[in-house]
Amino acid sequence: DQQVKQNSPSLSVQEGRISILNCDYTNSMFDYFLWYKKYPAEGPTFLISISSIKDKNEDGRFTVFLNKSAKHLSLHIVPSQPGDSAVYFCAASARETSGSRLTFGEGTQLTVNP
Amino acid sequence: SQTIHQWPATLVQPVGSPLSLECTVEGTSNPNLYWYRQAAGRGLQLLFYSVGIGQISSEVPQNLSASRPQDRQFILSSKKLLLSDSGFYLCAWRMRVYNEQFFGPGTRLTVL
Repeated sequence: DQQVKQNSPSLSVQEGRISILNCDYTNSMFDYFLWYKKYPAEGPTFLISISSIKDKNEDGRFTVFLNKSAKHLSLHIVPSQPGDSAVYFCAASARETSGSRLTFGEGTQLTVNP
Repeated sequence: SQTIHQWPATLVQPVGSPLSLECTVEGTSNPNLYWYRQAAGRGLQLLFYSVGIGQISSEVPQNLSASRPQDRQFILSSKKLLLSDSGFYLCAWRMRVYNEQFFGPGTRLTVL
């Protein structure tokens, strides 16, 4: 049962444009959501997160939007830069989960073309 | 500041051989620790997590085991590797008051 889904395995955008990465979840107990960025042969790095009590969180070029009724979140990157090319994972956690485990999506490969 | 180390960075092992991957965290105490595996082209699968010394929870039944002999040390082991154990193994830590997990650089394991 894939509780966190990233339906687009890849996304290609032009430098300077907006990148929108999408993520859907099925578990209504999830109350915290995170985005990670991963380069090949490296560990994921934390980008931005959002609590379920908010619908938007912004940090520089990165903004995460949460639509609880649709069980959908998205990551906007604007403007996109070639260095943003990486795999992006969304993840979710539930407060009551033992060990505060994260459930990850399958990832989306973002390519930003110069 | 906190740092997390994993070694070795890469490993090539024959089928049936043992495995020991080590992860250590510096600059924090009493963290939650996690082992993940990323198979080729796939997402991150949680293998084990630990909330304290000697406390290990397994997420999936498999050929691997984990141990936490010290507060900031997490070890992933196997007695006999299978071909399907190949992948990219990641250790992560988390402070208990926060939700964010922070990952190590990973170990690329190839079982031949």
